[in-house]
Amino acid sequence: IAGITQAPTSQILAAGRRMTLRCTQDMRHNAMYWYRQDLGLGLRLIHYSNTAGTTGKGEVPDGYSVSRANTDDFPLTLASAVPSQTSVYFCASSEAPTDTQYFGPGTRLTVL
Amino acid sequence: GQNIDQPTEMTATEGAIVQINCTYQTSGFNGLFWYQQHAGEAPTFLSYNVLDGLEEKGRFSSFLSRSKGYSYLLLKELQMKDSASYLCAVMDSNYQLIWGAGTKLIIKP
Repeated sequence: IAGITQAPTSQILAAGRRMTLRCTQDMRHNAMYWYRQDLGLGLRLIHYSNTAGTTGKGEVPDGYSVSRANTDDFPLTLASAVPSQTSVYFCASSEAPTDTQYFGPGTRLTVL
Repeated sequence: GQNIDQPTEMTATEGAIVQINCTYQTSGFNGLFWYQQHAGEAPTFLSYNVLDGLEEKGRFSSFLSRSKGYSYLLLKELQMKDSASYLCAVMDSNYQLIWGAGTKLIIKP
């Protein structure tokens, strides 16, 4: 089935550890995004990529990094996790930056 | 600053009609999106408005007034499966989506 996959589904992580959340799409979409969703808040953009080889910072980029080596994959790395990064992380993609975004199933991350 | 406002929670009865409002103040406007999100799941796309007026899609309709910075999502013939959060998002001048916190809709039999 075409779409977006994310891994892992959930993770409990000790503070200070490094973690990479994986995101893969098979729709050949040019643009990809990482959001975090916290209770009572709207989705907040962490980083985005309008096309393979380029990335940009969103509203809340501190403590996160991304890479976009090819069209399909857009991993998000937490270099040294902190408890405030406990959240649900969604990856999304769209054909172009102006188009509708489609979401992966999410990763629930707990940092202790 | 940029701001999207929508009610935190609404309750409606199965078979009835409900209107979920969204007001926005953003840096530029390149369209307004509505998404549905069931608990523990990903947001799924419902509708898109870029011009003023009503867009109808089955039991769901979405309205936009750009001059008032206002939109609503209208759900007709409510079903229990419509119990979910409804997210309003505006695409700003940088083509980034600014999201409201979502409206949790509770459907009672």
